[in-house]
Amino acid sequence: GQQVMQIPQYQHVQEGEDFTTYCNSSTTLSNIQWYKQRPGGHPVFLIQLVKSGEVKKQKRLTFQFGEAKKNSSLHITATQTTDVGTYFCAGPSGNTGKLIFGQGTTLQVKP
Amino acid sequence: SAVISQKPSRDICQRGTSLTIQCQVDSQVTMMFWYRQQPGQSLTLIATANQGSEATYESGFVIDKFPISRPNLTFSTLTVSNMSPEDSSIYLCSVGLSSHNEQFFGPGTRLTVL
Repeated sequence: GQQVMQIPQYQHVQEGEDFTTYCNSSTTLSNIQWYKQRPGGHPVFLIQLVKSGEVKKQKRLTFQFGEAKKNSSLHITATQTTDVGTYFCAGPSGNTGKLIFGQGTTLQVKP
Repeated sequence: SAVISQKPSRDICQRGTSLTIQCQVDSQVTMMFWYRQQPGQSLTLIATANQGSEATYESGFVIDKFPISRPNLTFSTLTVSNMSPEDSSIYLCSVGLSSHNEQFFGPGTRLTVL
């Protein structure tokens, strides 16, 4: 069945360093979504990418959607302690409205 | 967007008992979903709650264990039946406003089964 894989599983960085998480789908996606879950919290939607090769920025966060619409990345420039949490990518499962989530990347930032 | 509340926020239950989790949305939505999240793990979809019909369950989840109700477009319940310690997890409901858009999650119910 459809799978969404994410690496790395964990990343520890010093505050101010950059961070990147990568997401790969076993199938072509109509869109890719990114969510952030703070420790003890629930997933919160960050962004959706739809077009092949699309790049979107939110302040220090840069999101990319691959040309083949099967992979994506999230890059954080100059991490801050507020960036701590788990970042999930998710792709839709057909037209059902269901999402297939990646395993998530947990980011720890040392001050 | 949508604002979602869940009750209870947490509970500690004895094995063999059942717990019903409620999910309330501040607007009418077509799609509601129930997820399970083990500590440190990703989200696993349990079922899609369909208004006016039976829920659609994912592989590995059955109605007898996780009965779901969806009486209207703003409310759903998930029951965890005949609980065992392996059911200890966070249960999250979410809503989707369309088939290709983002989902909004409730705060979750943290369940511990002794």
